[in-house]
Amino acid sequence: DAGITQSPRHKVTETGTPVTLRCHQTENHRYMYWYRQDPGHGLRLIHYSYGVKDTDKGEVSDGYSVSRSKTEDFLLTLESATSSQTSVYFCAISDQTGSPLHFGNGTRLTVT
Amino acid sequence: DQQVKQNSPSLSVQEGRISILNCDYTNSMFDYFLWYKKYPAEGPTFLISISSIKDKNEDGRFTVFLNKSAKHLSLHIVPSQPGDSAVYFCAASESTNAGKSTFGDGTTLTVKP
Repeated sequence: DAGITQSPRHKVTETGTPVTLRCHQTENHRYMYWYRQDPGHGLRLIHYSYGVKDTDKGEVSDGYSVSRSKTEDFLLTLESATSSQTSVYFCAISDQTGSPLHFGNGTRLTVT
Repeated sequence: DQQVKQNSPSLSVQEGRISILNCDYTNSMFDYFLWYKKYPAEGPTFLISISSIKDKNEDGRFTVFLNKSAKHLSLHIVPSQPGDSAVYFCAASESTNAGKSTFGDGTTLTVKP
């Protein structure tokens, strides 16, 4: 899967706790993205990065922050998890803006 | 307001027949369209794309058709195989910025042997 590893694969956490999801790539791609997918719905963009320390908001960024200190790592943090953030989170990478995305296998997050 | 719609949540076809998956969009700024396939417990994988300067793109058994005036695209799979059973997502973006795509809700295709 294009050298993308997401960790953890599954996580259960309590409302109000901070949570960090990690995406690691070995492709040296410039662009990295975090999407979420909810049951019966498509993927929605949370945040993306176009280089080290260069990030921007997507469609559903409220309650999330990101950081990218190295090309290969893109972290997604839920500052104070809520039940509405229960979802499957996908990281994706691309080498150019016009290139299709390569996705990781996702992190299933449950907030109780 | 959902900008990319896949109105059929599911589709079932017989092996060897044609599968046609449809997608409609409302944003006239979209000019790059992609289809992704997703198996359970895996991430989506890219299948085929088309830019607005074309009305057809073909890759093996997969063909995507674009009707800009109707803001409609379709994915044809011929012949369908059981391994094609998956969820198919239509995605659209502006200025070929595929990373910032807007996705449809997906169509679950089941190909029966």
